[in-house]
Amino acid sequence: AQSVTQLGSHVSVSEGALVLLRCNYSSSVPPYLFWYVQYPNQGLQLLLKYTTGATLVKGINGFEAEFKKSETSFHLTKPSAHMSDAAEYFCAVSADSGAGSYQLTFGKGTKLSVIP
Amino acid sequence: DAGITQSPRYKITETGRQVTLMCHQTWSHSYMFWYRQDLGHGLRLIYYSAAADITDKGEVPDGYVVSRSKTENFPLTLESATRSQTSVYFCASRAGTSNTGELFFGEGSRLTVL
Repeated sequence: AQSVTQLGSHVSVSEGALVLLRCNYSSSVPPYLFWYVQYPNQGLQLLLKYTTGATLVKGINGFEAEFKKSETSFHLTKPSAHMSDAAEYFCAVSADSGAGSYQLTFGKGTKLSVIP
Repeated sequence: DAGITQSPRYKITETGRQVTLMCHQTWSHSYMFWYRQDLGHGLRLIYYSAAADITDKGEVPDGYVVSRSKTENFPLTLESATRSQTSVYFCASRAGTSNTGELFFGEGSRLTVL
């Protein structure tokens, strides 16, 4: 079984400030980890993902995340927030439970507000 | 245009009525998924399909029916809608069988059951 916990359903930052969105996961096998972003009235789109290899992964729009196995975390960061970053962010975990597995489990989401 | 489209985008119906939400993708992706999004729950998987004529239940399948006679279409039917099925429904697709693959989402169908 796998699960995702996102700490904070709502985070507010000032424009230009650091963005930090927290995600902790639980998985009985090595996980694949994803961050998706949802802008208002739109579907989700992939920001970045970790599968294997380098634990610091870079995504679109200046976001990055670091996989820390010892902490079971995959926090999302961006050095300087922009107004256009205001959206809802979802962390998701997938485990290799066999070919064709559908098991992508999403967290409950964190809504990011950026204050001018 | 290439992509994944859902229809209708907005739907209001009454308790007990049958509703079908349509999903169409132009990439010929093998996998298709239906999720519902509710406040406080994030996204929960309703059904998924690995290929035409192959479907399986997700986390919250009760009250829903799916079919996939063609690779590009994956309709979701609420046979007798209930108020608890008021939600935003997202269809998604993924190429290939790897769990590392990106999911591509439609823009969602907002359903209100009165």
